[in-house]
Amino acid sequence: DTAVSQTPKYLVTQMGNDKSIKCEQNLGHDTMYWYKQDSKKFLKIMFSYNNKELIINETVPNRFSPKSPDKAHLNLHINSLELGDSAVYFCASRETDSYEQYFGPGTRLTVT
Amino acid sequence: AQSVSQHNHHVILSEAASLELGCNYSYGGTVNLFWYVQYPGQHLQLLLKYFSGDPLVKGIKGFEAEFIKSKFSFNLRKPSVQWSDTAEYFCAVKAADNQGGKLIFGQGTELSVKP
Repeated sequence: DTAVSQTPKYLVTQMGNDKSIKCEQNLGHDTMYWYKQDSKKFLKIMFSYNNKELIINETVPNRFSPKSPDKAHLNLHINSLELGDSAVYFCASRETDSYEQYFGPGTRLTVT
Repeated sequence: AQSVSQHNHHVILSEAASLELGCNYSYGGTVNLFWYVQYPGQHLQLLLKYFSGDPLVKGIKGFEAEFIKSKFSFNLRKPSVQWSDTAEYFCAVKAADNQGGKLIFGQGTELSVKP
């Protein structure tokens, strides 16, 4: 009964490759987010979608492209991976009224 | 621009000690405030939140936080910590008029509780 799930949990890849991370929520929320947590555990928002529409787009390299096929899914595609992309990526979804965000387990991306 | 500062990077306590983790934010308008906890190897979970009303809010697992508007602070407290409280703690702020729900996080405080 996982509320927010992400796949894969770990991803090890080489520089220059293209990879995707998938996120799904079964909470019925309309809004979903992607966050990046760096090696110092600093969490920063990257994107947000509300009902398949992009509403937050922070200063992120355009190699990162979110895609939301429906409001329960928000995937993150990364082109031409760089060493600096190594981090833990968290997906989250939000209750509309309370603004409480529910986080997924994270995907640890390692670029070698 | 909004920012959140957590002054303590790493706090080490013995069991039964009292805890206070500092959180200050910079934003001139009305804010919503949150504390999240990340246990080792797990995802972030909400501890407590403040939207309006009583500035002293109680959360799960015996945690509480006090919003002091004049100090732009939202410090987290627990009277007696347990070894199981060992985790990373994040303070976060959202501008109340931000309909997108964008959260700005502090850099986190690592709490280590010695048994």
